[in-house]
Amino acid sequence: RKEVEQDPGPFNVPEGATVAFNCTYSNSASQSFFWYRQDCRKEPKLLMSVYSSGNEDGRFTAQLNRASQYISLLIRDSKLSDSATYLCAVNSGGYQKVTFGTGTKLQVIP
Amino acid sequence: EPEVTQTPSHQVTQMGQEVILRCVPISNHLYFYWYRQILGQKVEFLVSFYNNEISEKSEIFDDQFSVERPDGSNFTLKIRSTKLEDSAMYFCASSEWTSGSFDTQYFGPGTRLTVL
Repeated sequence: RKEVEQDPGPFNVPEGATVAFNCTYSNSASQSFFWYRQDCRKEPKLLMSVYSSGNEDGRFTAQLNRASQYISLLIRDSKLSDSATYLCAVNSGGYQKVTFGTGTKLQVIP
Repeated sequence: EPEVTQTPSHQVTQMGQEVILRCVPISNHLYFYWYRQILGQKVEFLVSFYNNEISEKSEIFDDQFSVERPDGSNFTLKIRSTKLEDSAMYFCASSEWTSGSFDTQYFGPGTRLTVL
């Protein structure tokens, strides 16, 4: 099983739609979880950290399910500017290394 | 807003040549990293650096690679003898250091390395 696994997509959704991505991780000792956004040939930019209680930032909601070892990202009211690849990232504790998933590509269509 | 910077943005080199990629981390950050992303693939961890020494490295980071903090601001990645498969985007990142916890990493814009 891969350390961090994501559905590569692409997810093609109309503007205004709600879309959700999941990411599974294999190391049950993982402690910190993040969603990054990556535009084509650009650097990953932190979208949000994911906390046990779940957290929301505007149209974006992240959830963590430790029992099933997955994190999710929900995007409401999708905008054209949300089109990007969304990277799940996990830190497994001990060191500062972050392990990324392959990313899920989102295309928001007018 | 402070940010990580990297130079050059694009480096083209011949196979077997040495390259040095440069990064200026965010000024109050103490942990520095290099990641790479081969075109179409995931972002992969190479090495982390703290207190002037390597903290952790991946299997990719073999003897051909080295890192250095030559002064108070720069952080460099050297590839001694480049191979075709070293062609990738190389991202530098930095984070604060908080005892007992994990700090968010902020990425630079990357250097695209092309080995011919």
